[in-house]
Amino acid sequence: GQNIDQPTEMTATEGAIVQINCTYQTSGFNGLFWYQQHAGEAPTFLSYNVLDGLEEKGRFSSFLSRSKGYSYLLLKELQMKDSASYLCAVTGGFKTIFGAGTRLFVKA
Amino acid sequence: DTAVSQTPKYLVTQMGNDKSIKCEQNLGHDTMYWYKQDSKKFLKIMFSYNNKELIINETVPNRFSPKSPDKAHLNLHINSLELGDSAVYFCASSQGFRGGKADTQYFGPGTRLTVL
Repeated sequence: GQNIDQPTEMTATEGAIVQINCTYQTSGFNGLFWYQQHAGEAPTFLSYNVLDGLEEKGRFSSFLSRSKGYSYLLLKELQMKDSASYLCAVTGGFKTIFGAGTRLFVKA
Repeated sequence: DTAVSQTPKYLVTQMGNDKSIKCEQNLGHDTMYWYKQDSKKFLKIMFSYNNKELIINETVPNRFSPKSPDKAHLNLHINSLELGDSAVYFCASSQGFRGGKADTQYFGPGTRLTVL
């Protein structure tokens, strides 16, 4: 079957670093995405990995290990505005499967 | 300029009614999608069109019928609305697939449907 697992909630402190993990089992693989979704808003693109390794983009980095079916999103220098849901999504064939999302709470 | 737009943003209606949601993208993308996000925040694919051709049709009641008059538009018509249809419906678009790599999806603002 197809499955994406990520923690339901995480809490971190402003200025800290947080790592959100994602494990997946899907048929076919064309890439793994991370999206950010603030409450009441649409998901917006954060990162894309198709090869193993780390992709860095400012305060955000994403890592992929295809052999382990594993990815993580690393957020550095957390800001209050980073409080949101983070969705892990895997595309295989024409279809993208989304995880349920990890709600991140950033506290002062 | 809005990249992916949806109308209406909010829709409140009675059980049994028929309603439509419209989506337009001005990104020149070939592929468009409809997703349903329920109260538990699961974002689930319903339909996908590539160049006006249906390529994904998930296990969705046949009360839901998508229509793509051209590759910039993908509308969703829902017949005989039920309480369980209450959710946020997101339209998205992407360039599609190039060289075996998937392309980023750009989401519309969502349509919050409430069925009473």
